[in-house]
Amino acid sequence: DAKTTQPPSMDCAEGRAANLPCNHSTISGNEYVYWYRQIHSQGPQYIIHGLKNNETNEMASLIITEDRKSSTLILPHATLRDTAVYYCIATVGGGSNYKLTFGKGTLLTVNP
Amino acid sequence: EADIYQTPRYLVIGTGKKITLECSQTMGHDKMYWYQQDPGMELHLIHYSYGVNSTEKGDLSSESTVSRIRTEHFPLTLESARPSHTSQYLCASSATDRGPMFFGPGTRLTVL
Repeated sequence: DAKTTQPPSMDCAEGRAANLPCNHSTISGNEYVYWYRQIHSQGPQYIIHGLKNNETNEMASLIITEDRKSSTLILPHATLRDTAVYYCIATVGGGSNYKLTFGKGTLLTVNP
Repeated sequence: EADIYQTPRYLVIGTGKKITLECSQTMGHDKMYWYQQDPGMELHLIHYSYGVNSTEKGDLSSESTVSRIRTEHFPLTLESARPSHTSQYLCASSATDRGPMFFGPGTRLTVL
């Protein structure tokens, strides 16, 4: 798995967009970028994943740079319930290689 | 919404006891995983399975063992619990080798 680097913490005002960066400069061509979050030691929750195109779902948008060396997770209108640790993971999918290695992540605090 | 269950949610037990942590999913997922997480720390993969009768050790060495006799069931056993086993144990499953991984609520184990 490619090493990912995330800021340890970020703050965001409620109602504003939260932009969480992730650096994965050694990512290989067949590694996907996954984002999960963990709210107060509950089980992690899947948010979104992508390979090279930008992706959007009902929870968030994932913007991957053209060289794929970094990505940004965007929560368009953050709420207090979005306060959590956010994990960015780069890993190869497919067969026996599919497993996720979690790092320290970014603690996002959404303030009223 | 994912249907993955873990029992018990909380367990306090004395040293030397044998314990089994249960994990079940009703989604028919082939891939299942066990992660261990100490408070405020990273998740570590300790076991995984790609299907019935398939089990592998994860990235973090663990004294626990697992079995996968049925697709929906992936129990974790500690033959002789010790205080060093005190931690949160999280079970997860995935339908595909690139898609979302769904986590259960976790079991908080305390060994006295």
